[in-house]
Amino acid sequence: AQTVTQSQPEMSVQEAETVTLSCTYDTSENNYYLFWYKQPPSRQMILVIRQEAYKQQNATENRFSVNFQKAAKSFSLKISDSQLGDTAMYFCAFMKHVRNYGQNFVFGPGTRLSVLP
Amino acid sequence: EAGVAQSPRYKIIEKRQSVAFWCNPISGHATLYWYQQILGQGPKLLIQFQNNGVVDDSQLPKDRFSAERLKGVDSTLKIQPAKLEDSAVYLCASSLAVLADEQFFGPGTRLTVL
Repeated sequence: AQTVTQSQPEMSVQEAETVTLSCTYDTSENNYYLFWYKQPPSRQMILVIRQEAYKQQNATENRFSVNFQKAAKSFSLKISDSQLGDTAMYFCAFMKHVRNYGQNFVFGPGTRLSVLP
Repeated sequence: EAGVAQSPRYKIIEKRQSVAFWCNPISGHATLYWYQQILGQGPKLLIQFQNNGVVDDSQLPKDRFSAERLKGVDSTLKIQPAKLEDSAVYLCASSLAVLADEQFFGPGTRLTVL
């Protein structure tokens, strides 16, 4: 079974600074997807960024980028120029397709990020 | 495009009572998921539907939890009887098709069992 670990329960960063959130996972699969989801306080979960395991190039979305190290099974999220609106819980998630079964998602425990003014 | 709708947003019940949650996925989304998110933890999949069929309910406590997705559109999740440890946020998510890779989440229902 797949597991996802986020070793930083809480983090804080000053506005406009850069912060990196860590995620490691365990799988024997070769083809899978990795995601970072953001859950603001009392608001719904939204997708931040995704990475296909077969792609060597790290995904980027504006101020958000990942460092995907497949051999090390590591998938960290870097937030540049942090903004107050980035304050949220961040969840790392692993997904694989299962034939005739659909998608299998596993979420990590989350990292609570606070952006300080 | 309307997002995933859930109701109610909040529910408080006493243990041993029953409760039901409703979810309406994004139009056209074939796959629907129910997650349980206990405070301070990541979402845990309870059940996954593909249209109106169940594809994974391995983590659903079937002695007290049930779910259905009649007509392959909206879905209900029921707990009967509720226990204290069922206090959590229940999230519904949907995706376009079996091979789609992104889930869209609803706002969740926060359940408190006293």
